[in-house]
Parts: sequence; C-alpha cells; structure tokens
Amino acid sequence: SAVISQKPSRDICQRGTSLTIQCQVDSQVTMMFWYRQQPGQSLTLIATANQGSEATYESGFVIDKFPISRPNLTFSTLTVSNMSPEDSSIYLCSVEDPGLLTDTQYFGPGTRLTVL
Amino acid sequence: QKEVEQNSGPLSVPEGAIASLNCTYSDRGSQSFFWYRQYSGKSPELIMFIYSNGDKEDGRFTAQLNKASQYVSLLIRDSQPSDSATYLCAVITGNTGKLIFGQGTTLQVKP
Repeated sequence: SAVISQKPSRDICQRGTSLTIQCQVDSQVTMMFWYRQQPGQSLTLIATANQGSEATYESGFVIDKFPISRPNLTFSTLTVSNMSPEDSSIYLCSVEDPGLLTDTQYFGPGTRLTVL
Repeated sequence: QKEVEQNSGPLSVPEGAIASLNCTYSDRGSQSFFWYRQYSGKSPELIMFIYSNGDKEDGRFTAQLNKASQYVSLLIRDSQPSDSATYLCAVITGNTGKLIFGQGTTLQVKP
C-alpha cells in the first residue's frame, strides 16, 4: 500500500485562525479523501479530492469552512478556516487503492487539532 | 437507523480466547466490507476486507459475511493483549459508493 504522510501531526490553535493540513503520498493516486474524527467518535467523510476538479463535499461540510486543494496526483491540502473549539478533532487523509475485487482506502497518520 | 452499526463495547476477553466483533448495515446493495483496527492515538489500519458471502481467513483473523442478514463479523483467534484496540467496520454502500464507518467496538484483551 502507499505510504502517506501528513503535516502537521498535531497543533494547538486559537479560535478564529486557520490551519492548513498537508497530505503527501509516495505514489500517484486518483482518489484522495479527507475525514474528521471527533473525540470518541468514528470517522466522518468531509470531502473527496480528485486532481483537476473541485472537491466534492459531504452534507454538513462547506468549501468556505474546509477549502481543499489537489494540485497533483500525490498531494492535497485541507484548510480548517475560522476555527472554533468545535473543530477540535483528528483530521485524516486517505487514498484509494483501486483493486480488481474492491477499492480499498488507506489512511495517513492524522493531524490532531486542538482549538482553544 | 444508522447505515453501519456496531456495539461500542468495551468487549473484554481473556488472552488466548476468541474475540467476536459484529457489524450490521442497512443498505442491502452494499458490496464491500472492511475491518480496520485503530489503536488509541493512531489512525485506522486496514485488517481485511470481504465481498463474498462466507468466511475469509487471514492469519488469526476471520471475516464473515452474510448478505441476506446484512451482517458482517470479525473473529480474532488466540487474542493477545496487543489486539486491544478499537475495531471499525466500514462498508461501501450501494447507493452512494462511499465508505461509511460504524462507531467502532473497543476490544480489551486481558492477560
């Protein structure tokens, strides 16, 4: 499976500020995804990021709050804008490995965000 | 009704026992089913996937799928303390094609 890295691994931010999270993959991938995992909760898909097109956002997530870039097939960024304490979560990127039998997602190490 | 449901646990088993983790899903058109393991403070790690009815074995892990009952399970044989983690069931739903996660079951393996 692909090797995925995220930066930063964790950050503590003040409310009202923005943080950009980077996701780097060691091979070219078509589909990349951004998830949020709130404390004690499961994973919720924020958006799907395909290279060369606008990100597709899930219900409850908007581009103004979570702008995403996907400049090439190995890199994506997620920005958490105008942060509030409710944005404190782990943010995970994943990549899809298309297989003959099924498409499989692999996750990066995550970014732990705390908003004060 | 949640799309993917798991008992949050914790499920506690003694070392060496079989741990049985269960998951139900609502979309009958779902095709692919995944089990991820997540250690505290870490990201989810894929254990295995299954897409056909029946059993699929990989080492100490066995995934079981029953599409008629919309039920998928994960058995861990000879459980070890290192298996203590949260196990996430995930399903690619037929109606959206997206990967939907259950809330996870916390497993505790006691020495």
